[in-house]
Amino acid sequence: EPEVTQTPSHQVTQMGQEVILHCVPISNHLYFYWYRQILGQKVEFLVSFYNNEISEKSEIFDDQFSVERPDGSNFTLKIRSTKLEDSAMYFCASSDRTGEGYGYTFGSGTRLTVV
Amino acid sequence: AQKVTQAQTEISVVEKEDVTLDCVYETRDTTYYLFWYKQPPSGELVFLIRRNSFDEQNEISGRYSWNFQKSTSSFNFTITASQVVDSAVYFCALSEANENRDDKIIFGKGTRLHILP
Repeated sequence: EPEVTQTPSHQVTQMGQEVILHCVPISNHLYFYWYRQILGQKVEFLVSFYNNEISEKSEIFDDQFSVERPDGSNFTLKIRSTKLEDSAMYFCASSDRTGEGYGYTFGSGTRLTVV
Repeated sequence: AQKVTQAQTEISVVEKEDVTLDCVYETRDTTYYLFWYKQPPSGELVFLIRRNSFDEQNEISGRYSWNFQKSTSSFNFTITASQVVDSAVYFCALSEANENRDDKIIFGKGTRLHILP
C-alpha cells in the first residue's frame, strides 16, 4: 500500500535555529498538507498546497513557516527561527481527491523538540 | 463553520467490555466526509474509517462498528469485546468535500481510551 514518508522521525533543535521537515507524498497525489499536534492536544491543520502554491493556511502558519515542493517528489516544511512552543508532532498528508474520501493519507510524523 | 466535538476526554473500561466513543460534528455543507483515527502511544495516526455524508449505513469491521446519524450530526464508534491493545487516543474528524474549497481535515480533541486488564 502506498505510504507518505516523513523524515526524520525525531528532530531536536535549539531555539532560534531553522529546521526543515521532509515529506515524500504518494507519487500520484496532487494535494499536500501539513498538520501539527502539540503533545496531548488535538491535531491541527497548518497548510495545504496544490499546483505549486499554498491553497489555504491556518492562523498558526505565520511568517516563520514556509512550505516548498523543491522537486517532483519532496514536500518540505521550514520553520525559520524555532521557538519552544513549536515543539510538536508534525504530520504530512497527501490526497488525490478521487475515490472514496479523496485517498487522504497521513505520514507517521516527525516529532520536533525545541530546546 | 466546521467543528468536531468529542465530549469524552478519557474513558476506562475493563477488558472484554464494549465501549462507545461519541462524536458530534457541525458543518454547513451537505457533502462531507467523516473519519476516525487511532493514535497509539507510538504517535502515528492510524486510519480506521472514512464515511461520506450520503452513506448513512452503519459499518462493522471485526470488533469495530460505527453509527452515523445525520439527524443528530453524530458519528459514534463502538469497540466490542475490548482488548488491551485498543488502548489509545481516538480522534473523530471531518472534511468538507466541496471541490471549490480546500479539503483540510478538522479533528476533534480526541478521547483517550484505557482498557484495563
